[in-house]
Amino acid sequence: DTEVTQTPKHLVMGMTNKKSLKCEQHMGHRAMYWYKQKAKKPPELMFVYSYEKLSINESVPSRFSPECPNSSLLNLHLHALQPEDSALYLCASSQDSTDNYGYTFGSGTRLTVV
Amino acid sequence: GESVGLHLPTLSVQEGDNSIINCAYSNSASDYFIWYKQESGKGPQFIIDIRSNMDKRQGQRVTVLLNKTVKHLSLQIAATQPGDSAVYFCAENIKNSGYALNFGKGTSLLVTP
Repeated sequence: DTEVTQTPKHLVMGMTNKKSLKCEQHMGHRAMYWYKQKAKKPPELMFVYSYEKLSINESVPSRFSPECPNSSLLNLHLHALQPEDSALYLCASSQDSTDNYGYTFGSGTRLTVV
Repeated sequence: GESVGLHLPTLSVQEGDNSIINCAYSNSASDYFIWYKQESGKGPQFIIDIRSNMDKRQGQRVTVLLNKTVKHLSLQIAATQPGDSAVYFCAENIKNSGYALNFGKGTSLLVTP
């Protein structure tokens, strides 16, 4: 299995809703990432987990809350989002903290906040 | 901060021609580079990578060239096909700065029949 799987593929949520994005990989990668991508822009890093510990938070608002339950799973919990948070949310993984070999992205979750 | 950039935002080529997409980087500490292809509505798809101890790497129909002297990276696609139409991003990883990739702005490649 050489894929990063993200669910759901599409999500529409209201500003008062709570939802979660899920990401899964079975490549044995020990580093996992959340990126945000707005239309016609490159992906921007949000969070990095290394060996299931949060190692980088790129000053992301607290309405985004990441979680790494185990080495294969990465969640992004969403609460009280704003319409400007609408974007493609991408999960990625790579081999480990010292080697980015095999840096692989999922297909993303297209999030619309209404 | 330092960033990866691209010389051309859009590139139109005829089917069968070779395509060259360029990328400039400014941080001499960058030690790993990746080219991604992103089709509409999809996540970035890995194309090819190259480490800073190499000048050239070839894949199937693609070649990446790295010129560390002028901090320039290029992606060459041979015999471009309509299915190659997409946005192409170069990305860099800076040694010992963490695990994140720093992406360039992207080049939109349009292959015309």
